[in-house]
Parts: sequence; structure tokens; C-alpha cells
Amino acid sequence: EPEVTQTPSHQVTQMGQEVILRCVPISNHLYFYWYRQILGQKVEFLVSFYNNEISEKSEIFDDQFSVERPDGSNFTLKIRSTKLEDSAMYFCASSDRSYTEAFFGQGTRLTVV
Amino acid sequence: RKEVEQDPGPFNVPEGATVAFNCTYSNSASQSFFWYRQDCRKEPKLLMSVYSSGNEDGRFTAQLNRASQYISLLIRDSKLSDSATYLCVVKEAGKSTFGDGTTLTVKP
Repeated sequence: EPEVTQTPSHQVTQMGQEVILRCVPISNHLYFYWYRQILGQKVEFLVSFYNNEISEKSEIFDDQFSVERPDGSNFTLKIRSTKLEDSAMYFCASSDRSYTEAFFGQGTRLTVV
Repeated sequence: RKEVEQDPGPFNVPEGATVAFNCTYSNSASQSFFWYRQDCRKEPKLLMSVYSSGNEDGRFTAQLNRASQYISLLIRDSKLSDSATYLCVVKEAGKSTFGDGTTLTVKP
């Protein structure tokens, strides 16, 4: 069964450092998403991406965040200068259409120290 | 008002019980609706999509009432393995909005 894969599974970084979280969406999907979940809290939407452009983003997705599809398979989330409050589980997801169900990767746990 | 609001829970039920979860959403332009389950520290996994006509998958039944902006999930004959957090998800324009989740614990 096709699945979304994310690397690394756990990343520890120092405050102020840049991190790049990587995702390989399901191959025939066209819509890609990043979500985050702070421990004990709800899943929060960050950004959606379609046709090499951001289609929606939340207030959380400020200038410190960027997304890229550098090649035909990877989809990345970059956080330029990490803060302690960026510590969370980051989930990548993909869907074949804008209104169909999204399938999630297993997540990257980011710990900022 | 929250965009997606779920029963606060938690629900603690014995095996074999029937349990119902409720969810309301605020954006009348929402296009599609889903229930996901999330096990502790894992990714959300799709349980089922929700349609206006209602849909059933084994022990699980989901209903959508667009007029009332209300979604429900019914679990019959609950199993120990149903213990998880159930997430109501509403999607519009490529963005999925999650409820806070309702935690279910099924006890022997």
C-alpha cells in the first residue's frame, strides 16, 4: 500500500539553527500538506502546496517557515531559525485532490533545545 | 467559536458497548468531512469519509447533517483495539481543520 514517508523520525536542534524536514508524498498525489502537533494538543494546519505553489497557509506559517518541492518526489519544510516553541511533531500529508482524504506520514519529532 | 468542535470526552466504555461521538463545524462552505483515529504519538489515520447519505464500514457508522453542520460517528460492539483518540476533520480549499479529538478507552 502506498504511503507517505518522512525523515528523520526525530531531530534535535539548538535554538536558532535551521532545520529541514523531508517528506516523500504518495506518488500520484498532487496536493501536499504540513501539519504540526505540539505534545498534548490538537493537530494544526501549517500549509498546503499544489502545482509548485503554496495554496493555503495558516497564521503559524510565518516568514520563518518555507516549503519546497526540490525534485519530483521530495517535499520539504524548512524552519529558518528554530525557537523552543517550534518543538512539536510535524506531519506531512498528501491527497490526490483538494477535497479528498489526506494520508499522513509517521511524523518527525522536532525537539529544540 | 472553534472551527471544529468535538465532544470533550474522555469516554470510558466496556467491551461490547456502543459509543457515539459528535462534532460540529462552523464553516458552511466546507467541502468534505472525515473521521481519523490517532493512537498515542502516532500519525492520524483515516477511519472513514463522511457523506450526507450516511455511510457504514463494519461496526462504524458516520453521518453528516449539512444543514445543522453536524457530524457523528457511531461505534458498535466496541473492541479493546478501538481505544484511541478520534479526530473529526473538515476540509475546504485544500486545508484540513482538525477538532481537538475525543479519547476513547475500551475496558475489558
